[in-house]
Amino acid sequence: GAGVSQSPSNKVTEKGKDVELRCDPISGHTALYWYRQSLGQGLEFLIYFQGNSAPDKSGLPSDRFSAERTGGSVSTLTIQRTQQEDSAVYLCASSLWGLAGIGGELFFGEGSRLTVL
Amino acid sequence: DQQVKQNSPSLSVQEGRISILNCDYTNSMFDYFLWYKKYPAEGPTFLISISSIKDKNEDGRFTVFLNKSAKHLSLHIVPSQPGDSAVYFCAASERSSNTGKLIFGQGTTLQVKP
Repeated sequence: GAGVSQSPSNKVTEKGKDVELRCDPISGHTALYWYRQSLGQGLEFLIYFQGNSAPDKSGLPSDRFSAERTGGSVSTLTIQRTQQEDSAVYLCASSLWGLAGIGGELFFGEGSRLTVL
Repeated sequence: DQQVKQNSPSLSVQEGRISILNCDYTNSMFDYFLWYKKYPAEGPTFLISISSIKDKNEDGRFTVFLNKSAKHLSLHIVPSQPGDSAVYFCAASERSSNTGKLIFGQGTTLQVKP
């Protein structure tokens, strides 16, 4: 498809397990973002990749969270030793250039809903 | 530290009337502002944006107003339609800092009643 694709759409895991969430951005988009939305909350910035630059990890809530972007395309968000407070919808977005307003509009995927029991 | 705030979690208006959604920000370095709309079980979609060099941007039924001195922006939808019922997020960025990172508010749920 032409849009941002995320998998899995739903993931239920037990506390303490590791999870991986995958994002396929729109082809040709140089910037990729991860956000999460906890129940009743807004969109919380997690991490931002722009081309070959070092990612902006300033939003990662703890060292249990990490993300990679291989080959400038697909990204994987990994959460180690999951906790119940990690339960949220994890949204991935991509943009053409990564600068808001200069082809920088973000296109979001439908999200991966993570439930930690 | 909530840099972008939407203090009204919900808003209900009658079809045909004006909807006004508000957003406040604290970071004076923000120079680009956007509104996104989100339906349940879908990702947010871009609606309208405004640069800090402007105080108004209009696109059809949607108008965004920016008051830099008050660090406040608002989205006006007129006339409101039932299909506008969704969660609306405002977002801000420091484009001049060469980053594309967007900071979002908590969202306002708009319900437009037929």
